[in-house]
Amino acid sequence: GAVVSQHPSRVICKSGTSVKIECRSLDFQATTMFWYRQFPKQSLMLMATSNEGSKATYEQGVEKDKFLINHASLTLSTLTVTSAHPEDSSFYICSARAFIIGHGGRSTDTQYFGPGTRLTVL
Amino acid sequence: AQKITQTQPGMFVQEKEAVTLDCTYDTSDPSYGLFWYKQPSSGEMIFLIYQGSYDQQNATEGRYSLNFQKARKSANLVISASQLGDSAMYFCAMREDSGGYQKVTFGTGTKLQVIP
Repeated sequence: GAVVSQHPSRVICKSGTSVKIECRSLDFQATTMFWYRQFPKQSLMLMATSNEGSKATYEQGVEKDKFLINHASLTLSTLTVTSAHPEDSSFYICSARAFIIGHGGRSTDTQYFGPGTRLTVL
Repeated sequence: AQKITQTQPGMFVQEKEAVTLDCTYDTSDPSYGLFWYKQPSSGEMIFLIYQGSYDQQNATEGRYSLNFQKARKSANLVISASQLGDSAMYFCAMREDSGGYQKVTFGTGTKLQVIP
Protein backbone atom coordinates (compact mmCIF):
# COMPACT_ATOMS: atom_id res chain seq x y z
CA GLY A 1 0.00 0.00 0.00
CA ALA A 2 0.90 3.66 -0.19
CA VAL A 3 3.37 4.91 2.40
CA VAL A 4 3.10 8.12 4.35
CA SER A 5 5.77 9.20 6.80
CA GLN A 6 5.70 11.72 9.61
CA HIS A 7 8.55 13.41 11.37
CA PRO A 8 9.19 13.66 14.23
CA SER A 9 7.35 10.73 15.81
CA ARG A 10 7.59 12.28 19.25
CA VAL A 11 8.43 15.77 20.45
CA ILE A 12 8.57 17.38 23.85
CA CYS A 13 8.85 21.13 24.00
CA LYS A 14 8.53 24.04 26.38
CA SER A 15 5.45 26.20 26.46
CA GLY A 16 5.71 29.09 24.04
CA THR A 17 7.90 27.39 21.46
CA SER A 18 6.86 26.43 17.95
CA VAL A 19 6.91 22.89 16.63
CA LYS A 20 6.95 21.81 13.01
CA ILE A 21 5.63 18.40 11.94
CA GLU A 22 6.32 17.05 8.47
CA CYS A 23 4.11 14.71 6.51
CA ARG A 24 5.46 13.05 3.37
CA SER A 25 3.93 10.73 0.83
CA LEU A 26 6.83 8.46 -0.07
CA ASP A 27 5.75 6.59 -3.14
CA PHE A 28 2.95 8.67 -4.60
CA GLN A 29 1.97 12.26 -5.18
CA ALA A 30 -0.73 13.67 -2.96
CA THR A 31 -2.50 16.81 -4.05
CA THR A 32 -4.56 16.68 -0.87
CA MET A 33 -3.38 15.94 2.63
CA PHE A 34 -5.28 16.09 5.89
CA TRP A 35 -4.27 16.90 9.44
CA TYR A 36 -6.01 15.33 12.40
CA ARG A 37 -5.54 15.42 16.12
CA GLN A 38 -6.49 12.69 18.51
CA PHE A 39 -6.83 12.99 22.27
CA PRO A 40 -6.34 9.87 24.41
CA LYS A 41 -9.06 7.28 23.90
CA GLN A 42 -10.92 9.53 21.52
CA SER A 43 -11.52 9.56 17.80
CA LEU A 44 -9.69 11.53 15.16
CA MET A 45 -10.79 15.09 14.69
CA LEU A 46 -10.09 16.72 11.35
CA MET A 47 -8.20 19.97 11.78
CA ALA A 48 -7.63 21.06 8.22
CA THR A 49 -7.39 20.01 4.61
CA SER A 50 -4.14 20.87 2.90
CA ASN A 51 -4.11 21.35 -0.85
CA GLU A 52 -0.89 21.62 -2.79
CA GLY A 53 -0.30 25.14 -3.99
CA SER A 54 -3.21 26.74 -2.19
CA LYS A 55 -4.29 27.75 1.27
CA ALA A 56 -5.43 25.11 3.69
CA THR A 57 -9.09 24.78 4.59
CA TYR A 58 -9.55 24.78 8.35
CA GLU A 59 -12.37 23.15 10.25
CA GLN A 60 -14.57 25.22 12.48
CA GLY A 61 -12.91 25.98 15.79
CA VAL A 62 -9.35 25.43 14.58
CA GLU A 63 -7.19 28.55 14.77
CA LYS A 64 -5.39 28.98 11.46
CA ASP A 65 -2.87 31.39 12.97
CA LYS A 66 -1.92 28.84 15.60
CA PHE A 67 -1.80 25.78 13.37
CA LEU A 68 0.03 26.83 10.25
CA ILE A 69 -0.19 24.44 7.34
CA ASN A 70 1.99 24.54 4.27
CA HIS A 71 1.65 22.15 1.35
CA ALA A 72 4.66 23.19 -0.66
CA SER A 73 4.96 20.18 -2.93
CA LEU A 74 3.01 17.15 -4.05
CA THR A 75 4.76 15.00 -1.46
CA LEU A 76 5.14 17.28 1.55
CA SER A 77 2.80 19.05 3.92
CA THR A 78 3.88 20.65 7.18
CA LEU A 79 1.95 21.57 10.30
CA THR A 80 3.49 24.16 12.59
CA VAL A 81 2.06 24.54 16.05
CA THR A 82 2.98 28.11 16.98
CA SER A 83 3.47 29.22 20.58
CA ALA A 84 2.52 25.79 21.85
CA HIS A 85 0.80 25.43 25.21
CA PRO A 86 0.11 22.36 27.35
CA GLU A 87 -3.44 22.12 26.00
CA ASP A 88 -1.94 21.56 22.54
CA SER A 89 -0.45 18.29 23.74
CA SER A 90 -1.99 15.62 21.58
CA PHE A 91 -1.40 12.99 18.93
CA TYR A 92 -1.26 14.61 15.51
CA ILE A 93 -1.82 12.42 12.45
CA CYS A 94 -1.61 13.35 8.81
CA SER A 95 -3.10 11.51 5.88
CA ALA A 96 -2.69 11.73 2.15
CA ARG A 97 -5.41 11.24 -0.37
CA ALA A 98 -4.65 8.46 -2.81
CA PHE A 99 -6.37 6.46 -5.47
CA ILE A 100 -5.69 2.77 -5.29
CA ILE A 101 -6.66 -0.01 -7.62
CA GLY A 102 -8.28 -2.87 -5.74
CA HIS A 103 -9.72 -6.17 -6.76
CA GLY A 104 -11.19 -6.28 -10.22
CA GLY A 105 -9.53 -3.05 -11.19
CA ARG A 106 -11.84 -0.95 -9.07
CA SER A 107 -10.41 2.43 -8.13
CA THR A 108 -10.78 3.50 -4.54
CA ASP A 109 -10.42 7.07 -3.36
CA THR A 110 -8.97 6.65 0.09
CA GLN A 111 -6.60 8.15 2.63
CA TYR A 112 -3.35 6.70 3.85
CA PHE A 113 -2.21 7.78 7.26
CA GLY A 114 1.17 8.63 8.65
CA PRO A 115 2.35 6.99 11.89
CA GLY A 116 1.48 10.07 13.92
CA THR A 117 3.39 12.56 16.07
CA ARG A 118 2.96 12.71 19.80
CA LEU A 119 3.39 16.27 21.00
CA THR A 120 3.91 17.00 24.67
CA VAL A 121 4.11 20.62 25.74
CA LEU A 122 5.53 21.19 29.18
CA ALA B 1 -26.52 14.70 14.89
CA GLN B 2 -23.65 12.24 14.73
CA LYS B 3 -22.58 11.48 11.20
CA ILE B 4 -20.91 8.22 12.14
CA THR B 5 -22.09 6.13 15.07
CA GLN B 6 -20.27 3.20 16.57
CA THR B 7 -22.34 1.90 19.45
CA GLN B 8 -19.88 -0.67 20.75
CA PRO B 9 -17.12 0.94 22.80
CA GLY B 10 -15.56 -2.48 23.41
CA MET B 11 -15.90 -6.00 22.07
CA PHE B 12 -14.40 -9.36 22.96
CA VAL B 13 -14.05 -12.27 20.56
CA GLN B 14 -12.54 -15.70 20.89
CA GLU B 15 -9.59 -16.42 18.66
CA LYS B 16 -10.62 -18.00 15.34
CA GLU B 17 -14.19 -16.81 15.73
CA ALA B 18 -15.87 -14.17 13.57
CA VAL B 19 -16.87 -10.76 14.95
CA THR B 20 -19.05 -7.94 13.65
CA LEU B 21 -18.34 -4.32 14.49
CA ASP B 22 -21.30 -2.03 14.02
CA CYS B 23 -21.36 1.28 12.20
CA THR B 24 -24.26 3.48 11.15
CA TYR B 25 -23.98 6.72 9.26
CA ASP B 26 -26.00 9.76 8.37
CA THR B 27 -25.69 11.77 5.19
CA SER B 28 -27.86 13.41 2.58
CA ASP B 29 -25.18 13.22 -0.11
CA PRO B 30 -25.99 10.63 -2.79
CA SER B 31 -22.29 9.99 -3.29
CA TYR B 32 -20.18 8.97 -0.33
CA GLY B 33 -17.63 6.44 0.75
CA LEU B 34 -17.34 4.34 3.87
CA PHE B 35 -14.07 3.17 5.38
CA TRP B 36 -12.81 1.05 8.18
CA TYR B 37 -9.45 1.69 9.80
CA LYS B 38 -7.55 -0.24 12.43
CA GLN B 39 -5.47 1.55 15.05
CA PRO B 40 -3.19 -0.68 17.12
CA SER B 41 -1.63 0.57 20.34
CA SER B 42 1.27 2.01 18.34
CA GLY B 43 -1.12 4.71 17.07
CA GLU B 44 -0.82 4.28 13.32
CA MET B 45 -4.02 4.18 11.32
CA ILE B 46 -4.25 1.22 8.95
CA PHE B 47 -6.70 1.24 6.07
CA LEU B 48 -8.74 -1.97 5.97
CA ILE B 49 -11.64 -1.73 3.57
CA TYR B 50 -13.73 0.68 1.52
CA GLN B 51 -17.32 0.72 0.28
CA GLY B 52 -18.64 3.25 -2.20
CA SER B 53 -22.26 4.34 -1.99
CA TYR B 54 -22.92 3.16 -5.53
CA ASP B 55 -21.16 -0.17 -5.17
CA GLN B 56 -23.62 -3.00 -5.73
CA GLN B 57 -21.63 -5.65 -3.97
CA ASN B 58 -20.30 -5.71 -0.43
CA ALA B 59 -16.58 -5.05 -0.25
CA THR B 60 -14.24 -7.80 0.85
CA GLU B 61 -10.50 -7.72 1.58
CA GLY B 62 -9.10 -10.99 2.87
CA ARG B 63 -10.59 -11.68 6.29
CA TYR B 64 -12.42 -8.35 6.27
CA SER B 65 -15.82 -7.83 4.74
CA LEU B 66 -18.17 -4.90 4.90
CA ASN B 67 -21.87 -5.60 5.35
CA PHE B 68 -23.33 -2.60 3.54
CA GLN B 69 -27.05 -2.03 4.02
CA LYS B 70 -27.78 1.23 2.27
CA ALA B 71 -31.43 1.54 3.25
CA ARG B 72 -30.51 1.11 6.91
CA LYS B 73 -27.44 3.32 6.52
CA SER B 74 -25.24 0.74 8.12
CA ALA B 75 -21.75 -0.44 7.20
CA ASN B 76 -20.73 -3.13 9.63
CA LEU B 77 -17.26 -4.66 9.53
CA VAL B 78 -17.01 -8.42 9.74
CA ILE B 79 -13.69 -9.97 10.69
CA SER B 80 -13.56 -13.69 10.11
CA ALA B 81 -11.22 -16.11 11.86
CA SER B 82 -10.03 -13.57 14.43
CA GLN B 83 -6.36 -13.50 15.30
CA LEU B 84 -4.61 -12.16 18.37
CA GLY B 85 -3.08 -9.46 16.20
CA ASP B 86 -6.55 -8.15 15.44
CA SER B 87 -6.76 -6.66 18.93
CA ALA B 88 -6.92 -2.91 18.32
CA MET B 89 -9.22 0.07 18.01
CA TYR B 90 -11.38 0.04 14.92
CA PHE B 91 -12.76 3.22 13.41
CA CYS B 92 -15.54 3.56 10.89
CA ALA B 93 -15.32 6.65 8.72
CA MET B 94 -17.35 8.33 6.01
CA ARG B 95 -16.19 10.52 3.19
CA GLU B 96 -18.59 13.07 1.80
CA ASP B 97 -17.81 14.93 -1.40
CA SER B 98 -19.61 18.22 -1.11
CA GLY B 99 -18.94 20.43 -4.08
CA GLY B 100 -15.53 18.88 -4.65
CA TYR B 101 -14.46 19.39 -1.04
CA GLN B 102 -13.68 16.07 0.52
CA LYS B 103 -14.24 15.58 4.23
CA VAL B 104 -13.84 12.41 6.23
CA THR B 105 -15.63 12.00 9.55
CA PHE B 106 -14.64 9.31 12.02
CA GLY B 107 -16.73 7.40 14.51
CA THR B 108 -15.74 7.08 18.15
CA GLY B 109 -14.22 3.67 17.63
CA THR B 110 -14.62 0.16 18.97
CA LYS B 111 -11.91 -1.51 20.99
CA LEU B 112 -11.65 -5.13 19.96
CA GLN B 113 -9.90 -7.64 22.15
CA VAL B 114 -9.21 -11.12 20.85
CA ILE B 115 -9.06 -13.77 23.55
CA PRO B 116 -6.79 -16.79 23.10
